[in-house]
Parts: sequence; C-alpha cells; structure tokens
Amino acid sequence: QVQLVESGGGLVEPGGSLRLFCTASGFSFSDYYMSWIRQAPGRGLEWVSYITSSGDGMYYADSVRGRFAISRDNAKSSLYLQMNSLRADDAAVYFCARVKNYYDNDYWGQGTLVTVSS
Amino acid sequence: EIVLTQSPGTLSLSPGERATLSCRASQSVSSSYLAWYQQKPGQAPRLLIYAASSRATGISDRFSGSGSGTDFTLTISRLEPDDFAVYYCQQFGSSSYTFGQGTKLEIK
Repeated sequence: QVQLVESGGGLVEPGGSLRLFCTASGFSFSDYYMSWIRQAPGRGLEWVSYITSSGDGMYYADSVRGRFAISRDNAKSSLYLQMNSLRADDAAVYFCARVKNYYDNDYWGQGTLVTVSS
Repeated sequence: EIVLTQSPGTLSLSPGERATLSCRASQSVSSSYLAWYQQKPGQAPRLLIYAASSRATGISDRFSGSGSGTDFTLTISRLEPDDFAVYYCQQFGSSSYTFGQGTKLEIK
C-alpha cells in the first residue's frame, strides 16, 4: 500500500536551517509529482511547494520562495525540503503528499513537526 | 492569488442530518482542480473529492461535491459520528495551490 513517511523535523533557532525527508513506498515514485504542505499549530493547511515527477520543475508559495528548496531522488523514492533562514512563522507540521492527476493530493504522510524558537 | 473562503466556519449538526459546506473562490477556478479534504485531530488530511465532484477511492457515496466557477459545495448526507471533523477545500491554478480556512463540523 502507499506509504509516505516524513522525518527531519525538530527544534531550530530563527535564521537556522533544517532538511526534511519524505520516504515513499508502495507506488512508482518516479511517476508522480509530490507536494509539501504545512499546518501551523491550531491553524489551517498551507501549501508550501511541489515538484514535477522528473524533478525538473519546482514551484513554491510566495511565503517560502528563495528560502526553501524542494528536491527528489527517484532512485531512492525520496522527497526533500531544504529550509533555510527559518522564521517563527515557519513553525508547523510539514506533510508530504502525492499529487494525483487533477493536482489533488491523494496520499499524505503523518507529518513532521518543525519548531522555530530561540 | 485565488482566495478560497469557506462557510460556515463552524457547523453544528446531529447524526443523521445533512451537511452542506460552501467554498467560494475570489475568481473562477477550474472545476478539474477543486478538491475537498477531511481532517481529524492529530491526523493527516484525507482526500474526499477531486475535480469538484469525483469521489476519491474508498469514500462513501454519502459524500458528494458540486459546483463550478467560483462556488463549490461539499454535501454529506446522513451524518455519521465519524464525519465530525474539519473540512478543507483546495484549488490548483497558475502553478500554485490555495486552501480554504476550513469548516469545522461539530456534533450538536
């Protein structure tokens, strides 16, 4: 069955960096676009970024463009999110999700928590 | 950026009743790229509806989606206890996504 497992979250100081990981299984990873979506504590969902199946197209929300970088390794069925210059308002649970035919996200991981605090 | 506004913010209903949730866009959205999700506390969102009216795999036929242009609706007929959760709409366009702020469906 389709599984997405995120890791790499933790506590980081403002201005610091963190790299998130998402390991996929149960489907042909290289056939799908993938997304990162976040949710601040007690708040709604916010799209962060998505990447095309081959990795040659990366798209970002205005709030993270220039600070975050999405990438993937299809040989390892893995998705990454490099987060730099982190701010307090980046604190959230970060979910990776598979993008289906109509740009809906049909499978989600359980999320990894990023805390930004000094 | 297209803004999605969901209403009501909170909907209080009893099991067995019918729920109607609204998602209004600030400009026209392609029906192909309008989705609905359900999220329960401590869980990841679950895809319910894609392309405005198509049910995702394994989703009960009590869930239905409709609408076009700027007005979309998620209807849940005959509410069951497991349906009480937060519901989000989402649209894709111009290489970006936006989500509505959510509607909390609570037991009356």
